[in-house]
Amino acid sequence: QKEVEQNSGPLSVPEGAIASLNCTYSDRGSQSFFWYRQYSGKSPELIMSIYSNGDKEDGRFTAQLNKASQYVSLLIRDSQPSDSATYLCAVMTAGRRALTFGSGTRLQVQP
Amino acid sequence: EPEVTQTPSHQVTQMGQEVILRCVPISNHLYFYWYRQILGQKVEFLVSFYNNEISEKSEIFDDQFSVERPDGSNFTLKIRSTKLEDSAMYFCASSEGPTGTPLSYEQYFGPGTRLTVT
Repeated sequence: QKEVEQNSGPLSVPEGAIASLNCTYSDRGSQSFFWYRQYSGKSPELIMSIYSNGDKEDGRFTAQLNKASQYVSLLIRDSQPSDSATYLCAVMTAGRRALTFGSGTRLQVQP
Repeated sequence: EPEVTQTPSHQVTQMGQEVILRCVPISNHLYFYWYRQILGQKVEFLVSFYNNEISEKSEIFDDQFSVERPDGSNFTLKIRSTKLEDSAMYFCASSEGPTGTPLSYEQYFGPGTRLTVT
């Protein structure tokens, strides 16, 4: 059973702070990793993808991947109240296209 | 910016009835997917579709479900004989074809259809 685990939160940070969201996965065959943002009642919105070990930066977002530890994280710098949402970690196994999602971490950015 | 669209936004049906959920994927995308999310639960993969056939399906996607690409733009999910437990948000997603670049794996989701089975 392939599992993707996330702390459900809520993670509460003040406006302007760095939010750190974490995800672990069980399938060592996983090769592609994605972070989605989901506002309440809305669909998942792709924020970042990462495929190799290390950091990948896009604006205020940085994704970090450590395949040896089976760990992927998302850092949000200068957090804004509009960042308040549930962040979903999703993992794709090599040779497949299905995404396996975690249950998400709810982020609250306090003004 | 191109986006995935879905209709209807909300569908109410009686138990035992058939429903068809419709999606228009992003125009140059070649992979299409259906996912569902039961209220308060994880997003779950149902099926992927490429080159006019199912490429992958989950255990959830049993004989009750079918998918079709009836024309050059639409992608549909049919649920036969709906059950109460089919009540969920159904998301369509699409991604590029096998271009050989990592971007081809990125999946973009539509706004969803909320299915309520009574």
